[in-house]
Amino acid sequence: AQRVTQPEKLLSVFKGAPVELKCNYSYSGSPELFWYVQYSRQRLQLLLRHISRESIKGFTADLNKGETSFHLKKPFAQEEDSAMYYCALSPSSNTGKLIFGQGTTLQVKP
Amino acid sequence: NAGVTQTPKFQVLKTGQSMTLQCAQDMNHEYMSWYRQDPGMGLRLIHYSVGAGITDQGEVPNGYNVSRSTTEDFPLRLLSAAPSQTSVYFCASSYSKGVPTYEQYFGPGTRLTVT
Repeated sequence: AQRVTQPEKLLSVFKGAPVELKCNYSYSGSPELFWYVQYSRQRLQLLLRHISRESIKGFTADLNKGETSFHLKKPFAQEEDSAMYYCALSPSSNTGKLIFGQGTTLQVKP
Repeated sequence: NAGVTQTPKFQVLKTGQSMTLQCAQDMNHEYMSWYRQDPGMGLRLIHYSVGAGITDQGEVPNGYNVSRSTTEDFPLRLLSAAPSQTSVYFCASSYSKGVPTYEQYFGPGTRLTVT
């Protein structure tokens, strides 16, 4: 079965602390994985994708096929990082379908 | 470009009523999708389309119909509203021929309450 699991509903950290939002997936093929973010009163938007291997707003995510994980990390959290984060998997690149995890709310306290 | 637009922003329905949520995009995207967002469940795919005239079911299609007569529009119809359909609905689009990026662009959402 194709599934994305984000085990934490809420992650609360202080400003300047490291952040790791966990994401595990279940998929038999070679997945395309993404992190989407929804800031308060804004649209859901792409944060990063695993094939780009890029760092966006200080966030990085590495695909670990052995552990079937795609955790999102940032060494020093900022208050403006507070948002809802969704991990998503694309089971097929020619349909536009995404399978989302349950989402994790990141709260960065001053 | 306006991107992905959705109307209405808010809607209250009584059980048994029908309505259509509108979604339009002006990016010439081939793929369009409808998701519902519920607390603790993330976003779940309702229906999707890979092009005009082609639609398919997602994870939670029951109680919803879609059609795709043009590339730009992808309306979602609730046939007979039920309280379980109270949710926030998001439309998304992606992929333009000649610019093959699969990033999905989301609309602002429609908050639907069924009483």
